[in-house]
Amino acid sequence: AQTVTQSQPEMSVQEAETVTLSCTYDTSESDYYLFWYKQPPSRQMILVIRQEAYKQQNATENRFSVNFQKAAKSFSLKISDSQLGDAAMYFCAYRSHGSNTGKLIFGQGTTLQVKP
Amino acid sequence: GAVVSQHPSWVICKSGTSVKIECRSLDFQATTMFWYRQFPKQSLMLMATSNEGSKATYEQGVEKDKFLINHASLTLSTLTVTSAHPEDSSFYICSAPWREGRLVDEQFFGPGTRLTVL
Repeated sequence: AQTVTQSQPEMSVQEAETVTLSCTYDTSESDYYLFWYKQPPSRQMILVIRQEAYKQQNATENRFSVNFQKAAKSFSLKISDSQLGDAAMYFCAYRSHGSNTGKLIFGQGTTLQVKP
Repeated sequence: GAVVSQHPSWVICKSGTSVKIECRSLDFQATTMFWYRQFPKQSLMLMATSNEGSKATYEQGVEKDKFLINHASLTLSTLTVTSAHPEDSSFYICSAPWREGRLVDEQFFGPGTRLTVL
């Protein structure tokens, strides 16, 4: 069975600085998807970024980028130029490529605090 | 992107009563929907997979008779918490995968329902 681990329950960053959130996962599959979701105080889940395992290039979305290390089964999220609106709980998630239902496996989450 | 709605957003009920939560895909059809439960500052725990026209698939440890799921149409799934007790108080979130052809492209989440059982 696949597992996702986020070892940082809480992180803090100064506004405009850069922060990296860690995520590791365990799987025996070779093809899968990895995601970072943001859950702000409203609790609405928002997709931040997605990585397809067969793609070697790290995904980027504006200030958000990932460091995908397939061999190490690591998938960290880097937030550059942190803004107050980035304060939220962040979840790393895994989805099998072969799954046609879209079932996600979530990590424990990391609460990010952004200090002004 | 696709939109998923939930109703109600917040419900308070007395212990022993049943509560129904609706999850709707507003602009796409969802043959599958997922129901999650989330306690404060914790992760989303998958409770069950709702399948249109067939029985839901429950995760290990989730009581089927307690959490009744009905996926009556391609745009609506309902979760009924039967004989609710204070320990059932939680945040319930549904989601639906958006399909491009046969492949799942992305999953969209509802805004969640906060259940408080007195």
